[in-house]
Amino acid sequence: DVVMTQSPLSLPVTLGQPASISCRSSQSLVYSDGNSYLNWFQQRPGQSPRRLIYKVSNRDSGVPDRFSGSGSGTDFILKISRVEAEDVGVYYCMQGTHWPPGTYTFGQGTKLEIK
Amino acid sequence: QVQLQESGPGLVKPSETLSLTCTVSGDFISSQYWNWIRQPPGKGLEWIGYISYSGSTNYNVSLKSRITISVDTSKNQFFLRLRSVTAADTAVYYCARGDETVFNGMDVWGKGTTVTVSS
Repeated sequence: DVVMTQSPLSLPVTLGQPASISCRSSQSLVYSDGNSYLNWFQQRPGQSPRRLIYKVSNRDSGVPDRFSGSGSGTDFILKISRVEAEDVGVYYCMQGTHWPPGTYTFGQGTKLEIK
Repeated sequence: QVQLQESGPGLVKPSETLSLTCTVSGDFISSQYWNWIRQPPGKGLEWIGYISYSGSTNYNVSLKSRITISVDTSKNQFFLRLRSVTAADTAVYYCARGDETVFNGMDVWGKGTTVTVSS
């Protein structure tokens, strides 16, 4: 099974400063079509998760452009250019490449908080 | 606007069957993929399984022997049944719509429903 490993697990950030979350997969996420199916989700306190980014770098509708995704192969990054108070929450990466017959696999989550 | 709403008992006894319903509005359940995901208290997300627009299913291998996901297109609902539950199945259960491209995961989530397994 593919294992997704995020770092750091806790990320204190000053308002207005950038933030970066790493996600590493135990196997390459490049699919036979050449795409890497790596997604990022945000879960604000007390809310359900919301997808921010799909296929490494594509922002979902309504997601601010301060969020960006990058990476390839086994190493991926979610960047927030300037952290705002509403960005507090837990961020999860999730792979969709090795599926089926496997499963969607989430990272452990990274908790972003304001310093 | 697509909305999903989970419903079902908040308390289930050990060894019994957990049954949840997800009601979809703003989209036809006979299209795309429909997922269940859960989140134990204070922990991360675990994908449970999905049912496709064609009725085919795919389950998390770690839960496969205990799960059934089904659909009622006439009511625009899909369902989760998890048998022989234990305290480890205590979690918030989410239903979510799958992206048109199945590899992209879930693009719309319900608010979740809390299920506690306890006698």
